[in-house]
Amino acid sequence: GAVVSQHPSWVICKSGTSVKIECRSLDFQATTMFWYRQFPKQSLMLMATSNEGSKATYEQGVEKDKFLINHASLTLSTLTVTSAHPEDSSFYICSARIDRQNGYTFGSGTRLTVV
Amino acid sequence: GQQVMQIPQYQHVQEGEDFTTYCNSSTTLSNIQWYKQRPGGHPVFLIQLVKSGEVKKQKRLTFQFGEAKKNSSLHITATQTTDVGTYFCAVHYNFNKFYFGSGTKLNVKP
Repeated sequence: GAVVSQHPSWVICKSGTSVKIECRSLDFQATTMFWYRQFPKQSLMLMATSNEGSKATYEQGVEKDKFLINHASLTLSTLTVTSAHPEDSSFYICSARIDRQNGYTFGSGTRLTVV
Repeated sequence: GQQVMQIPQYQHVQEGEDFTTYCNSSTTLSNIQWYKQRPGGHPVFLIQLVKSGEVKKQKRLTFQFGEAKKNSSLHITATQTTDVGTYFCAVHYNFNKFYFGSGTKLNVKP
């Protein structure tokens, strides 16, 4: 079945550094990918919609200069958390639509801890 | 902004009891999807409902889409410990945005 491969699965970084998270669609092309953030015991909050070959669209309250999204190809979208702070520690997860009948498939998520 | 409300937030049941979670939207939905997220895992697609009044079953799970296409429910009959997890509904709104409900965390006591 359609799979989205997300890396890394976890990362610990120091405050002020940047972290890049990759999502690759395997065996299918994803013109659109969605990036979510999930804090403990909370729902997935949509951060931005990544569009291949064009700028991402960000949700209200999400800083586009802090969360850089690049979707340069039909199979790869990246999220870079720049100048990370402890409050950015969260579970980040990407998603892509398979087709109308089979919903969306999710990456395995990246647990980011900023110390 | 547009949101989908999901209740209850938590549900603790004894194994063998039934469980239901509900999602409500203030606007008419084109479709609604349901996902299950196990602790520490990522959401896994369960089903999509499209038609008004639609009812779909997957073994012990029954999914229903309201006549007005503004609400939906997921019912689990005779829960098992393997049903533990958080169940989310998810909907599309404008510009192909895909939002999740707040989720219902199910705990099943053996």
